[in-house]
Amino acid sequence: DGGITQSPKYLFRKEGQNVTLSCEQNLNHDAMYWYRQDPGQGLRLIYYSQIVNDFQKGDIAEGYSVSREKKESFPLTVTSAQKNPTAFYLCASSRGEGFITEAFFGQGTRLTVV
Amino acid sequence: RKEVEQDPGPFNVPEGATVAFNCTYSNSASQSFFWYRQDCRKEPKLLMSVYSSGNEDGRFTAQLNRASQYISLLIRDSKLSDSATYLCARRDNYGQNFVFGPGTRLSVLP
Repeated sequence: DGGITQSPKYLFRKEGQNVTLSCEQNLNHDAMYWYRQDPGQGLRLIYYSQIVNDFQKGDIAEGYSVSREKKESFPLTVTSAQKNPTAFYLCASSRGEGFITEAFFGQGTRLTVV
Repeated sequence: RKEVEQDPGPFNVPEGATVAFNCTYSNSASQSFFWYRQDCRKEPKLLMSVYSSGNEDGRFTAQLNRASQYISLLIRDSKLSDSATYLCARRDNYGQNFVFGPGTRLSVLP
C-alpha cells in the first residue's frame, strides 16, 4: 500500500543533542513538508521541498535542518539550537507545483526533551 | 490577520444534531481547500476536498464562498465517532504550500 512512513513514533532527546526524524513516502510525490504541532495548536510549517535537492524554509525553520537527496525521503534534524523542541512532528507529501490536490500525512513523531 | 482562521470551539453537541463550522481565509489566490479530521494524538486525515463551490459526502457537506472568502463544513446526524478536531486548509494557485487553520474541536455527546 502507498503511504508515508515516519519513524520513530516516540523519541526522547537529551538537552544539547541533535536528533533526526525519518520520513519516507512511496506515493511518487514531488513535494514533501515538515510541520510542528504543539498541544492545542495548529500545524506550523518548518521546511518544505518541491523537488529533489531543493528545499525552502517555512515559518519556524530556526533550529531545524533537512535534506532531500532522494524523492522518497525527507529527513528532519532537530538541532541543539532548537530551544523548545518538545512537540508532535508531522511529515506530509503531495503532488507538486501546478497541482491543487491534497496533502497526505505520516503518523507523526512525538519528540520529548528529557 | 492569520491566513486561515477557525473558531477553536469546543462545540459540544448531542448525538443526532447538525453542526456547522466556518473557516475564513485571507489569500484570494487560494485555489483549493480541504477539511481534515484529526483525532487526539494522531495525524490529520483528509475528510473532504473543495475545488469549486462545494462537495457532499454522505453526512458531510462542504461549501465554498469565494466572494466572502470562507468555507464551511456541515455535519448532519452527528455520531459519537465524529468527535475530533477539524482542520481547514488552503492551497494556493501555484500548488505550493498548504496553510492550515488552528482547528475546531467537536465533541458529540450521548
